[in-house]
Amino acid sequence: GIQVEQSPPDLILQEGANSTLRCNFSDSVNNLQWFHQNPWGQLINLFYIPSGTKQNGRLSATTVATERYSLLYISSSQTTDSGVYFCAVRDYGQNFVFGPGTRLSVLP
Amino acid sequence: EPEVTQTPSHQVTQMGQEVILRCVPISNHLYFYWYRQILGQKVEFLVSFYNNEISEKSEIFDDQFSVERPDGSNFTLKIRSTKLEDSAMYFCASSVGHGVYEQYFGPGTRLTVT
Repeated sequence: GIQVEQSPPDLILQEGANSTLRCNFSDSVNNLQWFHQNPWGQLINLFYIPSGTKQNGRLSATTVATERYSLLYISSSQTTDSGVYFCAVRDYGQNFVFGPGTRLSVLP
Repeated sequence: EPEVTQTPSHQVTQMGQEVILRCVPISNHLYFYWYRQILGQKVEFLVSFYNNEISEKSEIFDDQFSVERPDGSNFTLKIRSTKLEDSAMYFCASSVGHGVYEQYFGPGTRLTVT
């Protein structure tokens, strides 16, 4: 099945810093989503982005499907951005496969 | 904005007991899913459901698990005889269609088996 990798596994930032999280996948996908898991364990939908670029406030995401990666950008990070960021992909015919996540800690 | 809801947010049960986790998908969605996340691990697919039957299931979804849409709004996951290793976050999701369509996730139910 499809393999999903995320980097870095852990990231520590000072409040106000910018960051880029990466998701690599091993095969063509027809669906890619980014999620934020908050400290209470809830999964928050961030982006549905099988291709192209989207922006939502301080967050933006880009997926280059032909090169099998997606990037999540966080600008001017805040302590409330802390948590785990997952990308999830599905290829043709399978259900979602989640990556291992990037654990982000934003320090005040 | 419509959202997927799940109840309860936290359930504690004793080993061997049956539990039912409940989800209310978004009203015009046709596909429903359950996922599981053991503490500290990644989210794993359990089962997908469409037109009142299971369309796909993973190896995790064994005979201890069952899903049902008992009425027009609820979607449930039943674990017949819970084991310690069933302790996890369980997420429900729904989508308008399968494949390319966005899946909307609920906030999760934390199940603790003692």
